[in-house]
Amino acid sequence: NAGVTQTPKFRILKIGQSMTLQCTQDMNHNYMYWYRQDPGMGLKLIYYSVGAGITDKGEVPNGYNVSRSTTEDFPLRLELAAPSQTSVYFCASSHTGGGTGGYTFGSGTRLTVV
Amino acid sequence: AQSVTQPDIHITVSEGASLELRCNYSYGATPYLFWYVQSPGQGLQLLLKYFSGDTLVQGIKGFEAEFKRSQSSFNLRKPSVHWSDAAEYFCAVGSEGGNNRKLIWGLGTSLAVNP
Repeated sequence: NAGVTQTPKFRILKIGQSMTLQCTQDMNHNYMYWYRQDPGMGLKLIYYSVGAGITDKGEVPNGYNVSRSTTEDFPLRLELAAPSQTSVYFCASSHTGGGTGGYTFGSGTRLTVV
Repeated sequence: AQSVTQPDIHITVSEGASLELRCNYSYGATPYLFWYVQSPGQGLQLLLKYFSGDTLVQGIKGFEAEFKRSQSSFNLRKPSVHWSDAAEYFCAVGSEGGNNRKLIWGLGTSLAVNP
């Protein structure tokens, strides 16, 4: 049972480039989340999804896009990368909704924009 | 507004000493409370959670936490710290209410362990 898998683990982007961070879970969880983590700033919610075809913005959605075509996959798209998007990105999933069931996290993607 | 406060940004303890990490929350509904641990370069792992019942909950790695409703606190404790406990610890709160889709997170407490 792989849980939540994120790829790639590391990436360096140039300003203005685009990329997709992949997230896949094999637990049949309906709820999925994307967070970014910056030193001393805790976790900031970017986008989340409560099921296939349904997504919603979190606290810091600007500069990002998501889609949820299947239960398993929740990719995060960065268009026109900026230095401010240098961060560690975590994907998480939950069976009952994070408020009661807690999350299962992936191991993260460390992104540097230069 | 709903919030979670971890008053201690950084704590250093000696190996073998006891540990208490503080967490205070402000939440209108009945809270579901969580502690997560993040080892360097890793994702977050659930240590323990409280939903109802006994206010002292046991978790993995020898950790426990006590829910005190009167103090709006959910402090994490360990009787004897090991060097491998050095990590970032996050407290989070959720509920069954209308906003049950996501957790509210504290900013974390960084734990260093001296040999």
